[in-house]
Amino acid sequence: DAGVTQSPTHLIKTRGQHVTLRCSPISGHKSVSWYQQVLGQGPQFIFQYYEKEERGRGNFPDRFSARQFPNYSSELNVNALLLGDSALYLCASSLWPTVGPQHFGDGTRLSIL
Amino acid sequence: GQQVMQIPQYQHVQEGEDFTTYCNSSTTLSNIQWYKQRPGGHPVFLIQLVKSGEVKKQKRLTFQFGEAKKNSSLHITATQTTDVGTYFCAEPQGGSEKLVFGKGMKLTVNP
Repeated sequence: DAGVTQSPTHLIKTRGQHVTLRCSPISGHKSVSWYQQVLGQGPQFIFQYYEKEERGRGNFPDRFSARQFPNYSSELNVNALLLGDSALYLCASSLWPTVGPQHFGDGTRLSIL
Repeated sequence: GQQVMQIPQYQHVQEGEDFTTYCNSSTTLSNIQWYKQRPGGHPVFLIQLVKSGEVKKQKRLTFQFGEAKKNSSLHITATQTTDVGTYFCAEPQGGSEKLVFGKGMKLTVNP
């Protein structure tokens, strides 16, 4: 079975632009979470979605938004990009919305110039 | 919000040595998870501990949950170069779906 897949793998943007990152969970997983990982730090929770509803939100500005589709895939959108948004964006899927083992994708490396 | 503290942040060992890393929380945890991230890779789930005093082993890795459920440890026996990476502990925040990661413990191994 395929694991969590994310696209694109790398992305370069300039300040002020917006970006959409995509994630497909493991087949059968209905919960998707997004994390931001800055170099040298642990992943920081951004959102969790289950059955197309937002179940949790981290301490990120409103420029960050996400949604989950009927097939359980998900998109993370970031508007008005700042230099500080440069990071590895990780998607993780799990069977249940309550915290359990998270299965991570390879991530999208976002660089802001 | 609560955050787990991991110590040490960096560890350099000689191949074959044993070492232990710790994860401490100021609050009682419902459970704690451990992940490993290889250089250039993504976090990979290792284990989840739920019960007070629980001990789980995976080959050379031994995980323990404290009796008060406020701390956890990871002990690696006879370290190998394949153990290189950053080890994170993670705790659920406030019973919610939010998983909070520590800053990680970066392990390097001298062959």
